[in-house]
Formats: sequence, C-alpha cells, structure tokens
Amino acid sequence: QAVVTQEPSLTVSPGGTVTLTCGSSTGAVTSGHYPSWFQQKPGQAPTTLIYDTRNKQSWTPARFSGSLLGAKAALTLSGAQPEDEADYYCLLSYNNARRVFGGGTKLTVL
Amino acid sequence: QVQLVQSGSELKNPGASVKVSCKAYGYDFTSTAINWVRQAPGQGLEWMGWINTNTGKTTYAQGFTGRFVFSVGTSVSTAYLQINGLKAEDTAVYYCARGFGSCSDGTCRFDPWGQGTPVTVSS
Repeated sequence: QAVVTQEPSLTVSPGGTVTLTCGSSTGAVTSGHYPSWFQQKPGQAPTTLIYDTRNKQSWTPARFSGSLLGAKAALTLSGAQPEDEADYYCLLSYNNARRVFGGGTKLTVL
Repeated sequence: QVQLVQSGSELKNPGASVKVSCKAYGYDFTSTAINWVRQAPGQGLEWMGWINTNTGKTTYAQGFTGRFVFSVGTSVSTAYLQINGLKAEDTAVYYCARGFGSCSDGTCRFDPWGQGTPVTVSS
C-alpha cells in the first residue's frame, strides 16, 4: 500500500500564507490521484475543503486553494485566520480505486 | 438537507461484534457510494474502503479485510459497518462519508460526512 506524506506540523502568523503538501511513496502526485483536502477541528468530524486537486466546496473560504506543486499536491492558505487552526489531511486515489490518507498536518495560527 | 446520521457510541467487550449504521437523508441513497473512515484516539484518518450502494460491491483497504464488513439496507437508505472479533486496537471513531462521483475510477468527493460513531473495546 502506498504511503502518503504530509508535514506533521506547521505554524503561520495571522494574515500570513502557508502551503501544506502531500506526497506519495509511489512517485509524483498527479491530477490522476484526485487529491482531496480535509479540515478537522478538535472533537468534530472532518469537512471537505478541496477535491480533484483544486475544486472547492461551496463553503470553502476563498483563502484556501489547491494545486499541484512539483511532485506533490498542495493546499495553500493565504491570509490565515485564527479559525483556520486545525488538522489538515490529504487523500489520494490510486488506480485500484483504493484511497490513502496522509498522516495529517497540525496547523497552528500564531 | 443532504446529511448522514450515524448511530450512537458503543462499548463492547473484546471478541464481540458491533454494527454501526449510517442513515442517509435528502438524496437518492443508491446513486452514490459510501466510504468508511477510522480515527483512533489521537491519531489520523484511515480510509477503510467503500461500498457501491447500488450493487453492494465492496472495496476494502489493506488492513481492513476479514473482520470488517460493509453492507447496505437500500429500503431504509442506510449503510452499515460491522466489525467482528473486536480487539482493543479497534477502539476509534468511525465515520461514513458519501462518495459523490465515480468512486470506482478515482474521482470521489467526500460530501457530506457523518458525525462519527465512537466505538470502545474494553473488558
């Protein structure tokens, strides 16, 4: 089974910009992995922020964007707000219709 | 309103079985898949697999074969996760999430998520 890697933790200043990345042990992440990004706050269920690399849900704040950056998928937060402090997970799809989550990134806004 | 409502928390003895339900509201249940996700205490999310609610075809992730069984009751718009032979390491919150799109060939938007069902395995 593939291993999906994320930064364990990142810190961003309020109003600042931060990029979270998502890599795959099988090689470069492409649009064919249909990368998704999820936000989870303590004690809550995850919510989907981004799907299929860069598509946003209707409720996804405009300050979040998804992309491919080099060999990885990326989630960029521009203009961080205190309420963005949370755990963020990426999910990749593989060609046997199986999916793997990354280990998650704990984002601190400080 | 499209939503998934899961059954309540469970406390089970080791070796027992548990069946978690995930009831769908506000959409055609058999038109989209249901994914299952596990989160152990203090840990990250693990994708367990998914079920095609129309055909009943299941796909399990590595590590979730054998004791884990996905099923559906289409007449009640409900998906089920049964775990047999419970072990202490099965203690976790289990989430269902609708798979919107074509989950069999990659694109599969998780929307919405259920609220989660805590399962505790302890004697």
